[in-house]
Amino acid sequence: QPVLTQPPSASGTPGQRVSISCSGSSSNIGSYTVNWYQRLPETAPKLLVYDDYQRPSGVPDRFSGSKSGTSASLAISGLQSEDEADYYCAVWDDGLNGPVFGGGTKLTVL
Amino acid sequence: QVQLQESGPGLVKPSETLSLTCTVSGGSINSYSWSWIRQAPGKGLEWIGYIYYTGSTNYNPSLNSRVTISVETSKNQLSLNLNSVTAADTAVYYCARLTRGPWRYDYWGQGTLVTVSS
Repeated sequence: QPVLTQPPSASGTPGQRVSISCSGSSSNIGSYTVNWYQRLPETAPKLLVYDDYQRPSGVPDRFSGSKSGTSASLAISGLQSEDEADYYCAVWDDGLNGPVFGGGTKLTVL
Repeated sequence: QVQLQESGPGLVKPSETLSLTCTVSGGSINSYSWSWIRQAPGKGLEWIGYIYYTGSTNYNPSLNSRVTISVETSKNQLSLNLNSVTAADTAVYYCARLTRGPWRYDYWGQGTLVTVSS
């Protein structure tokens, strides 16, 4: 059972805004910054958001991250067909001294 | 542009050792930590461990007794050895660069599928 809880699936139509949640605890999300990764089919994960809300260069501003308490969210606005992918949240875990990942959310663009 | 490429056998027999290499190009292995992460079929991502370029390591306790990660700075490579494998170790294995301050995995290899089967 993943330490971080994500909904297994999410969906939206082109142009819509969707949000994916990630729930943790005070020892992980409550204490450390959250990253979000996108994994397109048959490709390596790609860093979308780090430090809760920062975007690496090249990531469109349609993707935004936020955090409150022990939960984090990834919002995707202006949904596009190419956004159809698996999305994973990740956070540093004190006890592990390493990262833990959510179970992933499969986003379908209808 | 930093690139990572995993290599190694795609099929390993149960009870044997899984050995993979990750070659880093377009940048130095020095001054960073490097991780192995895997994804079993139908499952989420699982952190295996990381190594600093100096050789210090930290492993996931769930695999700690079976895993060894090493680095060869002269070849810009890191390696993964996972012994006593079972079918549960069948997964796509990724290497990734761990950047600190704040932490993130900013570069990933394309991944390599390793199947454990007789």
